[in-house]
Amino acid sequence: EVQLVESGGGLVQPGGSLRLSCVASGFTFKTYWMTWVRQPPGKGLEWVANINQDGTTKYSVDSVKGRFTISRDNVKNSLSLQMNSLRVEDTAIYYCARDFGIPGGWFDAWGQGILVTVSS
Amino acid sequence: DIQMTQSPSSLSASVGDRVTISCRSSQDINKFLNWYQQKPGKAPKLLICQVSSLQSGVPSRFSGSGSGTDFALTIGSLQPEDFATYFCQQSYTSPLTFGGGTKVEIK
Repeated sequence: EVQLVESGGGLVQPGGSLRLSCVASGFTFKTYWMTWVRQPPGKGLEWVANINQDGTTKYSVDSVKGRFTISRDNVKNSLSLQMNSLRVEDTAIYYCARDFGIPGGWFDAWGQGILVTVSS
Repeated sequence: DIQMTQSPSSLSASVGDRVTISCRSSQDINKFLNWYQQKPGKAPKLLICQVSSLQSGVPSRFSGSGSGTDFALTIGSLQPEDFATYFCQQSYTSPLTFGGGTKVEIK
């Protein structure tokens, strides 16, 4: 069974940092793209960033460029999102998901989500 | 960025109704359009990828259609477990973008 489990969320002040992790099991992690998607409370979905199988190709939405860094460890089957210079508008549930890449991919397995709250 | 516009943003329907949700992209995205279902407090679930490919385990009452810039998700006969929010998503180019969602409520 494919499983994705996020951790590392919580409350942080504006300007602070947080590192999210996602541990994968039940599939061959190193053969898939991986993605982060976020959802502000009560709002829609926003794709944040993705990374290819060996970590050499990364894409992200403009609003997080220069602040968030996606990475992966194929030995530990883990995906990370380092979030710096956090803003109130980054408050959201963050999901990691298995991705089939760009172009033409889709997100076929999702974690349960982890809440990040940016507030003073 | 490619904008994805869903309509309606919400709808009320009865069990057994046929429901169609529309999704329009701001430019041609070929066939790179996916649909997700999300229930309250849960992660989204992939229903359909690349316009019309039904994911394993998804009931056949769900179907997808369209090409270019205009797409649709149809639920052939609405069931109680289908009341949820549905999102379309383009995977043609970065940044990947989602539609605003369509909430399907019980009439």
